[in-house]
Amino acid sequence: GAVVSQHPSRVICKSGTSVKIECRSLDFQATTMFWYRQFPKQSLMLMATSNEGSKATYEQGVEKDKFLINHASLTLSTLTVTSAHPEDSSFYICSASTGGTLAYNEQFFGPGTRLTVL
Amino acid sequence: SQELEQSPQSLIVQEGKNLTINCTSSKTLYGLYWYKQKYGEGLIFLMMLQKGGEEKSHEKITAKLDEKKQQSSLHITASQPSHAGIYLCGAVDFGNEKLTFGTGTRLTIIP
Repeated sequence: GAVVSQHPSRVICKSGTSVKIECRSLDFQATTMFWYRQFPKQSLMLMATSNEGSKATYEQGVEKDKFLINHASLTLSTLTVTSAHPEDSSFYICSASTGGTLAYNEQFFGPGTRLTVL
Repeated sequence: SQELEQSPQSLIVQEGKNLTINCTSSKTLYGLYWYKQKYGEGLIFLMMLQKGGEEKSHEKITAKLDEKKQQSSLHITASQPSHAGIYLCGAVDFGNEKLTFGTGTRLTIIP
């Protein structure tokens, strides 16, 4: 159980176009989903936290108009990179948690999406 | 905000040897996670530690959390090629679901 999928796994796009990445929890309902970005040889940096039915909370320095996050259902969150530029090329990973009243609920990670902007 | 420093940044170990990776926090840890990542792939959950002095083992990997809950170590015994990858520690603040990751340790196993 607790499987999270991402689609696509790899995407190459032209500069100026928009790209949508999907994150799905396959066998559980995810009240909270997280989006991370990872540069080569670096750790994961949290971009934003999204809760089903509400606006995403972005980390400092992350442009919310550039990285549009939609968490429309308990099993799907999408990240849209708008007007992509080469500097947006990166590895994007999502995670999902069940939320709840505990201080922390385990996050289950997707396999990641590698975005290359030409 | 919480900061996690991992050491070493990279490690090259001969197959069969033991190794230790450390994760040090700037604040008291309420939950410490260890993950493994193959390059270009998602994260594989290894272990979670919550109590001071806690120690958990799975196969040849042992993770410990010190009594002060500010430092954790990951120890691999008799390393194998399958252990190669990037090891990340992650921590959460109490009442906050955000997971902050450490700087990462790249492990290479040589025959």
